Amino acid sequence: QSVVIQEPSLTVSPGGTVTLTCASTIGPVTSAHYAHWFQQKPGQAPRTLIYNTYDKHSWTPARFSGSVREAKAALTLSGAQPEDEADYYCFLSYGGPHVHFGGGTKLTVL
Amino acid sequence: QLTLQESGPGLLKPLETLSLTCIVSGDSITSRNYYWGWVRQPPGKGLEWIGSVDYSGNAPYNVSLQSRLTISLETPRNQLSLKLTSVVSSDTATYYCGAGRGGSGAFDFWGRGTTVVVSS
Repeated sequence: QSVVIQEPSLTVSPGGTVTLTCASTIGPVTSAHYAHWFQQKPGQAPRTLIYNTYDKHSWTPARFSGSVREAKAALTLSGAQPEDEADYYCFLSYGGPHVHFGGGTKLTVL
Repeated sequence: QLTLQESGPGLLKPLETLSLTCIVSGDSITSRNYYWGWVRQPPGKGLEWIGSVDYSGNAPYNVSLQSRLTISLETPRNQLSLKLTSVVSSDTATYYCGAGRGGSGAFDFWGRGTTVVVSS
């Protein structure tokens, strides 16, 4: 049974906006869960886009942003590009070894 | 820039011990800037956190793997190692090493991964 729940799949139109969410079965997600978001394209390693809920790496495209919305971590993509089609995983930390990935969201840009 | 490169046996038999290494470039494995660890991904499935270790020896492990798992730093070679004993078919996966900052357990930097198949 998964502790961290993501939408299995989402579709966004090119140039459109989509929000992926990351919920916890244990309780509301807050910034204390240090949510991370990862992008993984077929045959590639994951790439970290967002860390500690909101923060971006130098390589993170500006169209991606992280937040907490309605007790869930959220990844918003504004102005989707074809190259954004990928699997997206969230990660929540509950302290020590109690960390969990979500099951992943397959994002289609169509 | 930090880079990580995994290596491993590729194929092993059930009940053997899996040994993986991850060579780190761009910083010392004893740096206080990072913790180091492993994540795996079975074929066609999602990511599973395995465990991590930092310069002080703090080493949280996935509870489901901890009885079979050792993650350690090999400072002379500036590399990270993983040993998983008594492997079974469900240990078949791509194994990624990574480096993270802060205390979340997640990685900021990832290796390209190494594929491990457990089969008789």
